[in-house]
Amino acid sequence: DIVMTQSPDSLAVSLGERATIKCKSSQSILYSSNNKNYLAWYQQKPRQPPKLLIYWASTRESGVPDRFSGSGSGTDFTLTISNLQAEDVAVYFCQQYFGAPLTFGGGTKVEIK
Amino acid sequence: QVRLVQSGAEVKNPGASVTVSCKASGYTFTTYGISWVRQAPGQGLEWMGWISPYNGNTGSARSLQGRVTMTTDTSTSVVYMEVRNLRSDDTAVYYCARTPYCSTTSCYSWFDSWGQGTLVIVSS
Repeated sequence: DIVMTQSPDSLAVSLGERATIKCKSSQSILYSSNNKNYLAWYQQKPRQPPKLLIYWASTRESGVPDRFSGSGSGTDFTLTISNLQAEDVAVYFCQQYFGAPLTFGGGTKVEIK
Repeated sequence: QVRLVQSGAEVKNPGASVTVSCKASGYTFTTYGISWVRQAPGQGLEWMGWISPYNGNTGSARSLQGRVTMTTDTSTSVVYMEVRNLRSDDTAVYYCARTPYCSTTSCYSWFDSWGQGTLVIVSS
C-alpha cells in the first residue's frame, strides 16, 4: 500500500499570511506514460464532508479560490494557502489515486494564530 | 447542481449488517463512478471501494475482507453499500463521493462531490 505522510500535524498562521502543508508518498505517484501526478487535496471543516481543492497535484477544482495552490512531483507535494482567510480554518488531507487501495494522509489542522 | 443525498444514521449490533444508500442528482448518473470513504470518530479518511453505475463493476479495499457489497439502481440513480458482520471498529461516518476519473475496469480517482455522510454506530 502507498503510505501518505503529511506534515505538520497542525499549524497556526496569521490572517493574510501563507500556510504550507507537505505530503509525502511512500513511492512515486507520477505515472510516466502521461506525466501526471496522481494526487488530490481536500479541505474538511467540522461536521462537513471533505471538499475537493486540487487534483493532478496542481489543477485547481472549479470554484476554488486561487489562493489555494498545489505543487510537487514524484513523492513530495505541497499545498500552499496564500493570504490565509478565517474561512480557511479546517483540516486538509492529501490523497493518492495512483493505485489501490487509495490512501489519504493523516491530515493537517490549520488554525489562526 | 450535483447532489449526493445519503440515508440516515444507523445503530447496529455487532455481527449485524447495514446498508447505506446514496441518491445522485444533477448529472448523468452513468457517466461517473461512485466511491465510498469512511471516517471513524476523530480520525482520518479510509477508502472503501467504488462502483461504476455504467457497467456495475466494483472494487473494494482488501482490508474489508469481502464484507462489503456495492450495488446500483440506474432507474433511480441510487447506489447502495452493504457492510456485513459489523464490528465496533466499523463505527464511522460513511461518505459516498462522485468519482470522475474511471476507466472501463477501475475507478481510481479524486472525488469531486461528496454526500453529507451517514453515521453508523456499532454497539451492543
